[in-house]
Amino acid sequence: EAGVAQSPRYKIIEKRQSVAFWCNPISGHATLYWYQQILGQGPKLLIQFQNNGVVDDSQLPKDRFSAERLKGVDSTLKIQPAKLEDSAVYLCASSLNVLGDTQYFGPGTRLTVL
Amino acid sequence: GESVGLHLPTLSVQEGDNSIINCAYSNSASDYFIWYKQESGKGPQFIIDIRSNMDKRQGQRVTVLLNKTVKHLSLQIAATQPGDSAVYFCAEIYNDMRFGAGTRLTVKP
Repeated sequence: EAGVAQSPRYKIIEKRQSVAFWCNPISGHATLYWYQQILGQGPKLLIQFQNNGVVDDSQLPKDRFSAERLKGVDSTLKIQPAKLEDSAVYLCASSLNVLGDTQYFGPGTRLTVL
Repeated sequence: GESVGLHLPTLSVQEGDNSIINCAYSNSASDYFIWYKQESGKGPQFIIDIRSNMDKRQGQRVTVLLNKTVKHLSLQIAATQPGDSAVYFCAEIYNDMRFGAGTRLTVKP
């Protein structure tokens, strides 16, 4: 079974630039999550989708971050404009259904903002 | 606010010894807990989980203990191997999943 795919694996940008990350969850998984993991910390949930609807985006900085999952499969996370403090690993995870099902994580995208 | 925490940020053990990684949680309403292992450059990998109606669960070489009285979770790894070197996170689930900061386990040959 293929795992969660993410691209790119690494990205370096300057502050105020825009960046987008892509995630392809495990086939058949209805729930998709985006996490931000700052170095030395545990992952922090940014947004959770159930199919193509947003379940929880309470910790998403909506002035600069946006995410979509238009067809209920792939998802993109965008940052515009980026700040220095956005440097982190952005992890995508998916689970079969709702919270409580095991979440499977992708390898992450390491973002460096200069 | 309530959060998940860990007692030790680092743990170093000798190969073959048993490892115990501890975690304290604050939300008594949390009903599901997961331990994840994260190797360098990879996403967290599910190890073992436990629901609040249990106090112990065993997997292959791993055991999770839950003490709801003191809100404490531990992960025991038997016969620790070099491949077990990683950062270990506990996560608690109530309305969402919240991770602790992690414990780095280093296995010395």
